[in-house]
Amino acid sequence: DTEVTQTPKHLVMGMTNKKSLKCEQHMGHRAMYWYKQKAKKPPELMFVYSYEKLSINESVPSRFSPECPNSSLLNLHLHALQPEDSALYLCASSQGILRRSSGKKNIQYFGAGTRLSVL
Amino acid sequence: GENVEQHPSTLSVQEGDSAVIKCTYSDSASNYFPWYKQELGKGPQLIIDIRSNVGEKKDQRIAVTLNKTAKHFSLHITETQPEDSAVYFCAASPANFGNEKLTFGTGTRLTIIP
Repeated sequence: DTEVTQTPKHLVMGMTNKKSLKCEQHMGHRAMYWYKQKAKKPPELMFVYSYEKLSINESVPSRFSPECPNSSLLNLHLHALQPEDSALYLCASSQGILRRSSGKKNIQYFGAGTRLSVL
Repeated sequence: GENVEQHPSTLSVQEGDSAVIKCTYSDSASNYFPWYKQELGKGPQLIIDIRSNVGEKKDQRIAVTLNKTAKHFSLHITETQPEDSAVYFCAASPANFGNEKLTFGTGTRLTIIP
């Protein structure tokens, strides 16, 4: 099973709302990622969690707040967003830190995304 | 940081013909190069990947070639079928065996003409 599940699939929110995006995986992966994808553009990395700790923040505005409650779950809390934040938000997971000798690859598996519209 | 360029941005081929998508990267530290296929309404799905110690890799109708000296890699799809129609992204990453920071190319919209 290589499934990453994201909820909700669609979300419409006002600029004063607070909402959360959720991501779940049961592959035993220890690295989880949030990406933002605008129409006809490639995914852009926002955050990386490794072993439930934030390891990469790509200078994302504070109105986006990630949370990793446990190794299977990843949340993205949204507050006071702007219309230009409307996009597809993708979650991904990968095995995490690997020994070079393991021969394994840190493949990222993506969810289907949450399509967010900010009015 | 890494910069990945991808060409062409759109590609239309007759069913049964071959399709080739090319990418170049800038960071010599990159040594992991995955290709993702994204269908409408779905997240990107890995279709093939290659490490820098390998020059070519093939999986049925899909192959990837890598020229590390020239810093470019290509995706080859043979005997194309309608279900190959999608957006394809190349990516590059330093395989530090930790949190791979993927840098994506700009994408190629492939259309297979029946």
